[in-house]
Amino acid sequence: EDKVVQSPLSLVVHEGDTVTLNCSYEVTNFRSLLWYKQEKKAPTFLFMLTSSGIEKKSGRLSSILDKKELFSILNITATQTGDSAVYLCAVLIYNQGGKLIFGQGTELSVKP
Amino acid sequence: DGGITQSPKYLFRKEGQNVTLSCEQNLNHDAMYWYRQDPGQGLRLIYYSQIVNDFQKGDIAEGYSVSREKKESFPLTVTSAQKNPTAFYLCASSMGETMQFFGPGTRLTVL
Repeated sequence: EDKVVQSPLSLVVHEGDTVTLNCSYEVTNFRSLLWYKQEKKAPTFLFMLTSSGIEKKSGRLSSILDKKELFSILNITATQTGDSAVYLCAVLIYNQGGKLIFGQGTELSVKP
Repeated sequence: DGGITQSPKYLFRKEGQNVTLSCEQNLNHDAMYWYRQDPGQGLRLIYYSQIVNDFQKGDIAEGYSVSREKKESFPLTVTSAQKNPTAFYLCASSMGETMQFFGPGTRLTVL
C-alpha cells in the first residue's frame, strides 16, 4: 500500500528559529514529491521535486529530495509568525491520472 | 481572474439528505479531483476525472458520487449512504500529471 509519512506532526518554535520538516514515502511508480502550505483553507503550492539532490529555494524556504532513501525535507529559516500553517507533503504517482498521496501534515506554530 | 471556486463555503445537512458541492475552474485544466480532510489528517482522494464524461474512484468513494459533463465543472454529491460526512471538502485541478491547484473548500456539517 502506498504510504507517505510526515514528522513531526506538530512543532512550536519562536520567531527567528530554523525548522526542518520531514517527509518519507513508500510508493510504487513514484513521479514527483510536492509540498503545500495550508492556512485554514486551500493548500497553496510550494515546491515540486522530481530529481534527487537538487535543492529548490523560494525565499526562506528550501526543499530537497533523496530518492535513494525515499525522503524529502522542507527547511524554513528565520521563521516568522506568518509561517504558521499546516505543511503537507504529497507524492505524485506515475500514470494514475495525477493521483496524489498525502501525508498527515505537520502543524507548525511560530510564536512571537 | 483564473482559479478554482467552490460553493457554498459552509453547508449544513440533516441526516438522510443528499447534498451537492460545487466546483468550477477556469484554468482550462483537463483533470479535476475531490478530496476530504478530517481534523489533524491529510487529504484523502474521493474521486478524480481526467477528461469530460469520465471519472475514477479514489480511496474513499463510498457514499459519494460525481459527474463531469463540462470541462470546467466537477460537482460532488454526498449521499445519505456516507456514514460520517462531516468534513472539509477540497476540489483541485491540474493540467495532467503535475501540481494540483486547490479551491477554497467547503465545510460540511451534518446536524
